[in-house]
Amino acid sequence: GENVEQHPSTLSVQEGDSAVIKCTYSDSASNYFPWYKQELGKGPQLIIDIRSNVGEKKDQRIAVTLNKTAKHFSLHITETQPEDSAVYFCAANAGGSYIPTFGRGTSLIVHP
Amino acid sequence: GAVVSQHPSRVICKSGTSVKIECRSLDFQATTMFWYRQFPKKSLMLMATSNEGSKATYEQGVEKDKFLINHASLTLSTLTVTSAHPEDSSFYICSATDSEGQPQHFGDGTRLSIL
Repeated sequence: GENVEQHPSTLSVQEGDSAVIKCTYSDSASNYFPWYKQELGKGPQLIIDIRSNVGEKKDQRIAVTLNKTAKHFSLHITETQPEDSAVYFCAANAGGSYIPTFGRGTSLIVHP
Repeated sequence: GAVVSQHPSRVICKSGTSVKIECRSLDFQATTMFWYRQFPKKSLMLMATSNEGSKATYEQGVEKDKFLINHASLTLSTLTVTSAHPEDSSFYICSATDSEGQPQHFGDGTRLSIL
């Protein structure tokens, strides 16, 4: 089955800095890669996703890149703000499966 | 769009009680619903997947008689924790997808505390 590794487990940055979270996956058939943000006591919320036919996608301060050859994808947050502080999960859907495999999560702390 | 509502947000009850958690898709038809359990500072652990009108598919190690799942309509799924004990205390989260299967939209979770 699919295996998703996520790093780092904790990331601390100053407000205004950029933050990068990286994930690798094992199943070359995976074709859908969502990123979720989970605030304390809440459920995960989809913030951006990318499909395997695209190498990069951007939405305001958030961008995701995908390298299919290396089987890794990354989340980039620019101009971080304290409200970006949360746990971020990457996930990968193996081809033909509706069930994503989640990474272990990254706790992002943005210091004002 | 794609809002999933989960209730209650928090439950505190005595050991031996059965607890029902509801998950509703408010603005789309949820072809498939998922139930997750999340331990503190851990990732999401899939418990079961259910399709409307069908029996749920449980992940290995999840007791189907302990965690009863009903997905009777395209907008509602329920998880009943039967005869709950302190070890069942956890954060339970549902999610739903439409017929396209992606992405999953999550509810805000239910914090279950068994005394």
